[in-house]
Amino acid sequence: DQQVKQNSPSLSVQEGRISILNCDYTNSMFDYFLWYKKYPAEGPTFLISISSIKDKNEDGRFTVFLNKSAKHLSLHIVPSQPGDSAVYFCAASAGNNNDMRFGAGTRLTVKP
Amino acid sequence: NAGVTQTPKFRILKIGQSMTLQCTQDMNHNYMYWYRQDPGMGLKLIYYSVGAGITDKGEVPNGYNVSRSTTEDFPLRLELAAPSQTSVYFCASSRQTGYEKLFFGSGTQLSVL
Repeated sequence: DQQVKQNSPSLSVQEGRISILNCDYTNSMFDYFLWYKKYPAEGPTFLISISSIKDKNEDGRFTVFLNKSAKHLSLHIVPSQPGDSAVYFCAASAGNNNDMRFGAGTRLTVKP
Repeated sequence: NAGVTQTPKFRILKIGQSMTLQCTQDMNHNYMYWYRQDPGMGLKLIYYSVGAGITDKGEVPNGYNVSRSTTEDFPLRLELAAPSQTSVYFCASSRQTGYEKLFFGSGTQLSVL
């Protein structure tokens, strides 16, 4: 049961432009959403999160948008930098980390 | 500032062999987790622990065992390795049980041939 889906396996953008990574979920009980970033041969590292009481959370170049009615969230990176090239995982939970579900990831490539 | 440390980084097993994946964290987190990641799939929870002496099954526990004798260590045991257990394994920890980010180790790439 893929409760969290990232339908784009890969995304390529030019340096300085906006990167938009998308994530859909099916479980209406999810109320906490996170994005993790993963470089090769490393573990995922936390990037940004949002709770269901908000529709936007911003941290520097990274902004996460949540559309609860559409069960959709997106991560915007502006401006994109070559160091942002990594795999990005979307995750969602319903209050317990042991319920957390992860998407399959989107590989972002930022070209100089 | 080690965080979550996993060993080994790579391992090749023959079918039927056993091994233990080690995980230790130095952040004094009560909550620890083992995930596996298969190609094209999201991370799936194998086992988790809410504190020393307390463990519970996650989404995909079959073929694995865990123990938690100390706050710091959470080893994952594979008994009778099978090709289906070829995967990348991540250990993680968190300060709280929910509404909280996870801290991950760097992973163990395991191949069962």
